[in-house]
Amino acid sequence: EPEVTQTPSHQVTQMGQEVILRCVPISNHLYFYWYRQILGQKVEFLVSFYNNEISEKSEIFDDQFSVERPDGSNFTLKIRSTKLEDSAMYFCASREATNTEAFFGQGTRLTVV
Amino acid sequence: SQQGEEDPQALSIQEGENATMNCSYKTSINNLQWYRQNSGRGLVHLILIRSNEREKHSGRLRVTLDTSKKSSSLLITASRAADTASYFCATNAGNNRKLIWGLGTSLAVNP
Repeated sequence: EPEVTQTPSHQVTQMGQEVILRCVPISNHLYFYWYRQILGQKVEFLVSFYNNEISEKSEIFDDQFSVERPDGSNFTLKIRSTKLEDSAMYFCASREATNTEAFFGQGTRLTVV
Repeated sequence: SQQGEEDPQALSIQEGENATMNCSYKTSINNLQWYRQNSGRGLVHLILIRSNEREKHSGRLRVTLDTSKKSSSLLITASRAADTASYFCATNAGNNRKLIWGLGTSLAVNP
């Protein structure tokens, strides 16, 4: 069964360092998302991406964040200069259409020290 | 309060019992989705119910949607210890493509 895959599963980084979180969405999906979940809190929307551009972003998704779809399969989230409060589980999701199921990857647990 | 609020926040039952979790939301929606998350793991999609549907089944799962009350419920019948997880509802509204999430219900099924 097709699935969304994310790498790495866990990343530890020093404050101020850049990190890139990688995702391979399901191949025939057109809409891509990043969400995050701080430990013990609700899942928060970061950004949606369609037709090679950002379609919506949240207040969390400031200038330190960027997304890219460098080829036909990968979808990446970059945090330029990580802060302690960026520590969270980051989830990538994809869906065929805006009214269909969104499928999530297993997440990348980012720890900023 | 916020879109997609689940209650109860925590539920503990014995294996074999049914578990019911509720979700309320504030704005009109296109669809509502239920997800499951094992501790520290990924979000697994369970069921999507559209705004023009009232009930959906999938195996031991039954989801209802009452758009007049802006609420949904997830029923797990004949629960198993392996059903222990957090369950979230997420709503999809209007032209927004994002999902808005609640805090979830933490379900513990005791063997």
